[in-house]
Amino acid sequence: NAGVTQTPKFQVLKTGQSMTLQCAQDMNHEYMSWYRQDPGMGLRLIHYSVGAGITDQGEVPNGYNVSRSTTEDFPLRLLSAAPSQTSVYFCASSYSWGAANTEAFFGQGTRLTVV
Amino acid sequence: QKEVEQDPGPLSVPEGAIVSLNCTYSNSAFQYFMWYRQYSRKGPELLMYTYSSGNKEDGRFTAQVDKSSKYISLFIRDSQPSDSATYLCAIRGTYKYIFGTGTRLKVLA
Repeated sequence: NAGVTQTPKFQVLKTGQSMTLQCAQDMNHEYMSWYRQDPGMGLRLIHYSVGAGITDQGEVPNGYNVSRSTTEDFPLRLLSAAPSQTSVYFCASSYSWGAANTEAFFGQGTRLTVV
Repeated sequence: QKEVEQDPGPLSVPEGAIVSLNCTYSNSAFQYFMWYRQYSRKGPELLMYTYSSGNKEDGRFTAQVDKSSKYISLFIRDSQPSDSATYLCAIRGTYKYIFGTGTRLKVLA
């Protein structure tokens, strides 16, 4: 099992460019989410999905879009990159939000720099 | 007030020391508590998972939850240089995991 796979691992963007961060999981998890990790701020939730076709905003959704057309994939789109979006982005998945002992499995992260 | 507060450290200890890592939280309704370990330039990995109050032990690691004081702790016994990482406490909220900012730990050989 590959677990949670994120691509690319590194990316440099110019201000105003758009791009999509890819996230795929092969564990048949219903719940998927995107976090950004910044020094001193911890992991902050951007968007999440409790199943295919269902998405919702997290704590810091501005400037980001998501969609969930399949169980496996949960791409994160940056609409018009800004330097404030320079961060490390993590995708995480869980079996089912309703299950009791459910842990989040994380990808290896995407390091994004916006210049 | 943040939902979860964690001392960022860094914390340096000699090999073999007992390490205590702590978090406080604000919402008494939280029931599921976790500790994640994150090595440099890697994604977080689950270390311990605890439901409600009490202790849970796994090898050299013990997780403790005190719901009366809204305090969660992770103890590492006989710490090793391989334990050097950032430790994040996490709480399962409503459709989200709420993370502390993480404590950087360095175990010196």
